[in-house]
Amino acid sequence: KAGVTQTPRYLIKTRGQQVTLSCSPISGHRSVSWYQQTPGQGLQFLFEYFSETQRNKGNFPGRFSGRQFSNSRSEMNVSTLELGDSALYLCASSLGIGSADTQYFGPGTRLTVL
Amino acid sequence: ILNVEQSPQSLHVQEGDSTNFTCSFPSSNFYALHWYRWETAKSPEALFVMTLNGDEKKKGRISATLNTKEGYSYLYIKGSQPEDSATYLCASRGSNSGYALNFGKGTSLLVTP
Repeated sequence: KAGVTQTPRYLIKTRGQQVTLSCSPISGHRSVSWYQQTPGQGLQFLFEYFSETQRNKGNFPGRFSGRQFSNSRSEMNVSTLELGDSALYLCASSLGIGSADTQYFGPGTRLTVL
Repeated sequence: ILNVEQSPQSLHVQEGDSTNFTCSFPSSNFYALHWYRWETAKSPEALFVMTLNGDEKKKGRISATLNTKEGYSYLYIKGSQPEDSATYLCASRGSNSGYALNFGKGTSLLVTP
């Protein structure tokens, strides 16, 4: 079974621009979660989607948004980019949203904001 | 404890040494504790999911225990090998985190021959 894929792997943007990142979950997985990692920080939770509905949202500004499609693929969008948005963005998929459901991570998208 | 905390932050051991790390998490309204291994340039890899107090899980030379009443989990590596070098992350899921996975900052392990 193919793993979680994320595109693009690397991205360079300038302040004020917007960016869209894509995540394709493992086949059959209906839940996708997004995380941000910056130097010195742990993985910070962004959002969780299940069956096209946002089930949970982390403590991030409204510039960060996401969505999930009927095929469970997910996108996240960051508008009006700031330097501090430079980070590794990881998505993870799981079968469902149960507390014990294992999340399987993709390789991440490295975003650099200049 | 409101956040997930891991200690030590980093660890350097010799090949063959056994080692352990600690993960502390909010014990109230706890649902599950997840451990991941994250090697450089790779995706985080799931190791264990534990839900019950007293749970013990084992995968090869790696094992983990869970104490939900006091809010901690230990990860043990027996006979460390260079390929064990990675960052080990724990994450808890409970109502304190809005049921999202709340990650610690990880323990970075380096095993030298």
